[in-house]
Amino acid sequence: GNSVTQMEGPVTLSEEAFLTINCTYTATGYPSLFWYVQYPGEGLQLLLKATKADDKGSNKGFEATYRKETTSFHLEKGSVQVSDSAVYFCALSPFSGGYNKLIFGAGTRLAVHP
Amino acid sequence: DTGVSQDPRHKITKRGQNVTFRCDPISEHNRLYWYRQTLGQGPEFLTYFQNEAQLEKSRLLSDRFSAERPKGSFSTLEIQRTEQGDSAMYLCASSPGQGAAPEQFFGPGTRLTVL
Repeated sequence: GNSVTQMEGPVTLSEEAFLTINCTYTATGYPSLFWYVQYPGEGLQLLLKATKADDKGSNKGFEATYRKETTSFHLEKGSVQVSDSAVYFCALSPFSGGYNKLIFGAGTRLAVHP
Repeated sequence: DTGVSQDPRHKITKRGQNVTFRCDPISEHNRLYWYRQTLGQGPEFLTYFQNEAQLEKSRLLSDRFSAERPKGSFSTLEIQRTEQGDSAMYLCASSPGQGAAPEQFFGPGTRLTVL
């Protein structure tokens, strides 16, 4: 079946620290991979995506590389800000049915302190 | 505001009552999804519409749940005979029909509390 596992939170960092949030997946076929973010009091927003192996998605200083050999899509940022405090969800979309239902991980809460 | 909207934002009901939620997608999007999110978990897929056709239903969607998208625009999700386990955030998302992995745009959700 299809599933996503991401590291448990909360992750607590000081401003300007390096961030890694691990995400691994199990999928049949060739899924697309996503990171969504949920800021306090707001709805889910797409942060970045990658649709095939070795693709790198990037946005707002965040990056993630689709690694088929390790079935991973780890989220990284070189220098976090207080405004990055949010819950981050890794998700996959199975290649099936010609559409894109999303299968999410449990989410990782990030708290960044000044 | 041209984003996805959901109504109501909050619903408190007693066990056994019926509830109905509405989702208005972004106007040009022909794909519409419903998800359910419980506290501390990621959203779980419930059902998918392409235009007015309901093309997939998760096994999470028991017989008490029904969803419609009668004219291919807004959608409703009804829960009959609510149970305490139905308490969750119900999310709607829409996306365009083109592309290999089009972005899904999420609404703010309807938080359901069943007493």
